[in-house]
Amino acid sequence: DTAVSQTPKYLVTQMGNDKSIKCEQNLGHDTMYWYKQDSKKFLKIMFSYNNKELIINETVPNRFSPKSPDKAHLNLHINSLELGDSAVYFCASSQPGTQNSPLHFGNGTRLTVT
Amino acid sequence: GENVEQHPSTLSVQEGDSAVIKCTYSDSASNYFPWYKQELGKGPQLIIDIRSNVGEKKDQRIAVTLNKTAKHFSLHITETQPEDSAVYFCAASIHDKIIFGKGTRLHILP
Repeated sequence: DTAVSQTPKYLVTQMGNDKSIKCEQNLGHDTMYWYKQDSKKFLKIMFSYNNKELIINETVPNRFSPKSPDKAHLNLHINSLELGDSAVYFCASSQPGTQNSPLHFGNGTRLTVT
Repeated sequence: GENVEQHPSTLSVQEGDSAVIKCTYSDSASNYFPWYKQELGKGPQLIIDIRSNVGEKKDQRIAVTLNKTAKHFSLHITETQPEDSAVYFCAASIHDKIIFGKGTRLHILP
């Protein structure tokens, strides 16, 4: 069973459109994240939610709005897509407060804005 | 905030040789240092980690060292194999926020 799954795997869309990426984890973790990986492979944290509450928001444009209906899901909605939004978006989860709290990543969503 | 520097950005080693990737961090309060391997088309996967109360940790061909005073930590891969080719990321964690280095693309040459 996939621990962290995100859909879709590929997303091609035009500038100005609105799109969503979904993420689900079955690890029972309390915290979920969205990371953005650019063309140079740099991984940058965007958001973090703990038990449905936003705890990290890293100066991401307000066109990006995460939504966590429950602690196993963290979706990412992007309004008015721009060319610079093209990247691979990774969802991840962890269980903070334990001795080791590594991130478990999904396999990414490659977003291409044309 | 925390800043993690990683070197080199690209590394090519002959199969069977060792590979070393080095990282530095800025915030002395960081207490957890994971290393991730990312293969093509996949998400990063944890390969080894070390906490700030430990100086060295080894798991088969992979070892990590941590120098808290200098705020340096390193990944060592011995007897490299073709399947070690990937992008490797170091990271530092403070207050459950994990900050990544910019990655090292490791090529294992036949």
